[in-house]
Amino acid sequence: GAVVSQHPSRVICKSGTSVKIECRSLDFQATTMFWYRQFPKQSLMLMATSNEGSKATYEQGVEKDKFLINHASLTLSTLTVTSAHPEDSSFYICSAPTSGQGNQPQHFGDGTRLSIL
Amino acid sequence: GNSVTQMEGPVTLSEEAFLTINCTYTATGYPSLFWYVQYPGEGLQLLLKATKADDKGSNKGFEATYRKETTSFHLEKGSVQVSDSAVYFCALSGGAQKLVFGQGTRLTINP
Repeated sequence: GAVVSQHPSRVICKSGTSVKIECRSLDFQATTMFWYRQFPKQSLMLMATSNEGSKATYEQGVEKDKFLINHASLTLSTLTVTSAHPEDSSFYICSAPTSGQGNQPQHFGDGTRLSIL
Repeated sequence: GNSVTQMEGPVTLSEEAFLTINCTYTATGYPSLFWYVQYPGEGLQLLLKATKADDKGSNKGFEATYRKETTSFHLEKGSVQVSDSAVYFCALSGGAQKLVFGQGTRLTINP
């Protein structure tokens, strides 16, 4: 079945570092991917929609300059947390739908746990 | 806007007990409904889905029926196992492929 690979699975780094997270669709093309943030014991919050070949669409309250998204190809989207600080520590998850229809399920990566010291 | 409300957890049951996790939604139009499961330290996996009213989604012994009249999509399983311990998310997709999630329900099954 369709698989989405997310890398790295865990990052621990110092405050001020920029961190890049990759999301790849392994056996299908994804013109759209989604980035979520999940706080401990809470639900997923949609951060942005990544669009291949165009700018990402950010949800209200999400800082575009803080969370840079690049959808360079039909199988790869990257999220860069720039100048990360401890409050950016969280679990980040990407997803990709296999079709353009809203009634089809999305496929999720295994998530990236980001810890900023 | 669209929203999903789930039964608050955590829920703790004994093995072989009957499970119900309530989910209700608010949406315009005709959304598709999903249940996702998240095991510790992992991403989300699709458990089941229903795309129109009265559809029943089922998988691994879990079932949920799309009830338009009550705007609900409750998750049920007749006999839970320890391996079912996870966090369960109800979600809807109202178009544009965006998913709206409920707050999640943590389920623990004791042997």
